[in-house]
Amino acid sequence: SQTIHQWPATLVQPVGSPLSLECTVEGTSNPNLYWYRQAAGRGLQLLFYSVGIGQISSEVPQNLSASRPQDRQFILSSKKLLLSDSGFYLCAWSTGWAGANVLTFGAGSRLTVL
Amino acid sequence: KNQVEQSPQSLIILEGKNCTLQCNYTVSPFSNLRWYKQDTGRGPVSLTIMTFSENTKSNGRYTATLDADTKQSSLHITASQLSDSASYICVVSAPGANNLFFGTGTRLTVIP
Repeated sequence: SQTIHQWPATLVQPVGSPLSLECTVEGTSNPNLYWYRQAAGRGLQLLFYSVGIGQISSEVPQNLSASRPQDRQFILSSKKLLLSDSGFYLCAWSTGWAGANVLTFGAGSRLTVL
Repeated sequence: KNQVEQSPQSLIILEGKNCTLQCNYTVSPFSNLRWYKQDTGRGPVSLTIMTFSENTKSNGRYTATLDADTKQSSLHITASQLSDSASYICVVSAPGANNLFFGTGTRLTVIP
């Protein structure tokens, strides 16, 4: 069966520090991978998606970047965190496009920037 | 504008009681509608997914309905349990790659 792992679960970082959140999927090949951010009282916002190794699409301009160094690994990064980067980050995967297929989420990473 | 609105924002019910959560959307064209359950501090977990031709789908004590004509969906929870306490998120998909529109969720609290 397929599983998705996301870490760290919580992170407290000072403004201006770097960030790296990691996500891996097991039990499937060539998944579509996604990073979402969930702000309190708001719907999930798609940040990045990837359909293959090295292929990254950004949905919104921001201080963050994503990379996919391996088929089942997706990394969310920042060189210098802003206060506004605080939030709950969710990695997800689907077989094919998320709009037509089941989207499975990881457990999430809570980022607090101080 | 494509939007998904859920009501109520929050709900408190006694254990063992039934409840119904509402989702109205303006997304067009429509591909499918999903309901997710999200425990506090965790990622959402899929409950149901319905296409245009389906008007009811069940997953245990959870039953989702869809009226594509009025663009409304509901999630009915039967014989609630304490473990049902969570946020329930309605997500509507439009044709295309990643056209998912998320509601802000209904926060359900089940009390003993």
